[in-house]
Amino acid sequence: DGGITQSPKYLFRKEGQNVTLSCEQNLNHDAMYWYRQDPGQGLRLIYYSQIVNDFQKGDIAEGYSVSREKKESFPLTVTSAQKNPTAFYLCASSILPQGTEAFFGQGTRLTVV
Amino acid sequence: AQKVTQAQTEISVVEKEDVTLDCVYETRDTTYYLFWYKQPPSGELVFLIRRNSFDEQNEISGRYSWNFQKSTSSFNFTITASQVVDSAVYFCALSEAGYSQGGSEKLVFGKGTKLTVNP
Repeated sequence: DGGITQSPKYLFRKEGQNVTLSCEQNLNHDAMYWYRQDPGQGLRLIYYSQIVNDFQKGDIAEGYSVSREKKESFPLTVTSAQKNPTAFYLCASSILPQGTEAFFGQGTRLTVV
Repeated sequence: AQKVTQAQTEISVVEKEDVTLDCVYETRDTTYYLFWYKQPPSGELVFLIRRNSFDEQNEISGRYSWNFQKSTSSFNFTITASQVVDSAVYFCALSEAGYSQGGSEKLVFGKGTKLTVNP
């Protein structure tokens, strides 16, 4: 089945540690996105990529890093510089050009302990 | 800058009631796309509808209907005869000029409306 797979579903991190969230898609989509969701805040864009080996910062990129070495994969690293990383993280992908709907993974809930 | 406002934070209805979720957007572009997504308790966002700025026709899909009015910059969503399975958080989103026009394709989301349908 085609879709977006995020792993793990739940992740616990100690303060000061970097962690990497996985996002893989087999939809042959060009664009991939990472969003952060906090209660009452809706979804905020962290990073996005429209082509392999290229990505742009979203609205809240500080403390995060990404890579896009393969079309299918767009991992997100939450670094120790992110002061408040506890949140629900959603990965999405879409085809280009404009206006196509994005498909979302099931999310990763990250908790700092 | 683009912005999406969903003024209703939470709505609670009794099964079989009709309910309308409001969405107001701001954009400077003449070409844009509007979306509604549903987020059930499982967390994954489910695409419901896309509407481009040149198509103001209302759409109906089963118990769901959408009213797009450019004059008021609104894209409201109505559920007729609500059911318990409709309980979820609903997001309205806006996408401006796309990749082919130098844009980014990124979606800007409202903060969501949590709908609870009680039996």
